[in-house]
Amino acid sequence: DTAVSQTPKYLVTQMGNDKSIKCEQNLGHDTMYWYKQDSKKFLKIMFSYNNKELIINETVPNRFSPKSPDKAHLNLHINSLELGDSAVYFCASKASGYNEQFFGPGTRLTVL
Amino acid sequence: DAKTTQPPSMDCAEGRAANLPCNHSTISGNEYVYWYRQIHSQGPQYIIHGLKNNETNEMASLIITEDRKSSTLILPHATLRDTAVYYCIVRGDNAGNMLTFGGGTRLMVKP
Repeated sequence: DTAVSQTPKYLVTQMGNDKSIKCEQNLGHDTMYWYKQDSKKFLKIMFSYNNKELIINETVPNRFSPKSPDKAHLNLHINSLELGDSAVYFCASKASGYNEQFFGPGTRLTVL
Repeated sequence: DAKTTQPPSMDCAEGRAANLPCNHSTISGNEYVYWYRQIHSQGPQYIIHGLKNNETNEMASLIITEDRKSSTLILPHATLRDTAVYYCIVRGDNAGNMLTFGGGTRLMVKP
């Protein structure tokens, strides 16, 4: 009965590959997010998405793209992976009219 | 969103109150103060938020100064499980309600 879940928990891949990380929330929330936490532990927002609009942090390379097959899912696709993409990626969700964001457990991506 | 300043680390004895300060001197009138924490290897967890009045919930209390330029998160009886990085975030009604995390305060609760 996990509220926000992510798969996989760990992902190790080679430079240049294309990979996806999946996120699902069973809370009925209508806004979902992706955050990146780098090796220095700084958490940075990447995307905010609801069924009406996608908001992209301008610092995010266009190799990163969120895709939402339905309201409960927001997957993160990364093309042409680079060493600097190694980080922990967190998905989060929020209900309309509420302030609290619920975070997933994170996916640790390692690019070799 | 306004910038926040927090001490990088603090210690607290188990069972004592932990008081975590945050400066947000450039906060504007419509910006809220949020607190999240991140326990090692887990996702961030919401604690509390407020605008200008003091707030209390089952996890903590939030004291905001009258000029709103600083605030204090209080964990009334810290336990070992409260060891975490605590983030103070100031956010207005930006598009998407996105959070901007700073460096946070690493709280170590010691037996």
